[in-house]
Amino acid sequence: KNEVEQSPQNLTAQEGEFITINCSYSVGISALHWLQQHPGGGIVSLFMLSSGKKKHGRLIATINIQEKHSSLHITASHPRDSAVYICAVKRGGSEKLVFGKGTKLTVNP
Amino acid sequence: DTAVSQTPKYLVTQMGNDKSIKCEQNLGHDTMYWYKQDSKKFLKIMFSYNNKELIINETVPNRFSPKSPDKAHLNLHINSLELGDSAVYFCASSQERSGSGYTFGSGTRLTVV
Repeated sequence: KNEVEQSPQNLTAQEGEFITINCSYSVGISALHWLQQHPGGGIVSLFMLSSGKKKHGRLIATINIQEKHSSLHITASHPRDSAVYICAVKRGGSEKLVFGKGTKLTVNP
Repeated sequence: DTAVSQTPKYLVTQMGNDKSIKCEQNLGHDTMYWYKQDSKKFLKIMFSYNNKELIINETVPNRFSPKSPDKAHLNLHINSLELGDSAVYFCASSQERSGSGYTFGSGTRLTVV
């Protein structure tokens, strides 16, 4: 079993809908990252979290350290949000990032 | 003015050849990485260097050899290429204390035929 599990694997939404992508992990971590991979292949770092909540534009990321769970929310989704969203955790005491398998989001107009 | 640039973007080569992928970052970051993304789009760490020192070396065949001439560069040399090496290879950098996460290069799609 992968140390980082994401759900759902695939998600299709209509423009304007509120999106939630979940990430659960099984190891002690020093930080959790949310990444976005565009259809063209480029990877962008969205958030780095070690506690609480962060917001950037229409994107919100939360983490619950006790429950080993993080969520990525997208408000007022738009077709340009269509991408693969990847959760990755940095193990405590290590530089190593362990990745989830990604959630493919498609937002239809 | 690309922050993390890797070259080439595409590489098609025959089995048995030796090839290199170059990576440079102009962000002043201390740590650089090589990641491999397989055909199922799953990312895995291969190597990490901090200030030219190897700090992560995952279970990677020794045909893969990273080289960091200075902290702004991390190149990946692959000997005796095999079909299974076909993947997209991403370079990335980070500066932990900045809290800004990782910056990725645009990837190198390697196809071994």
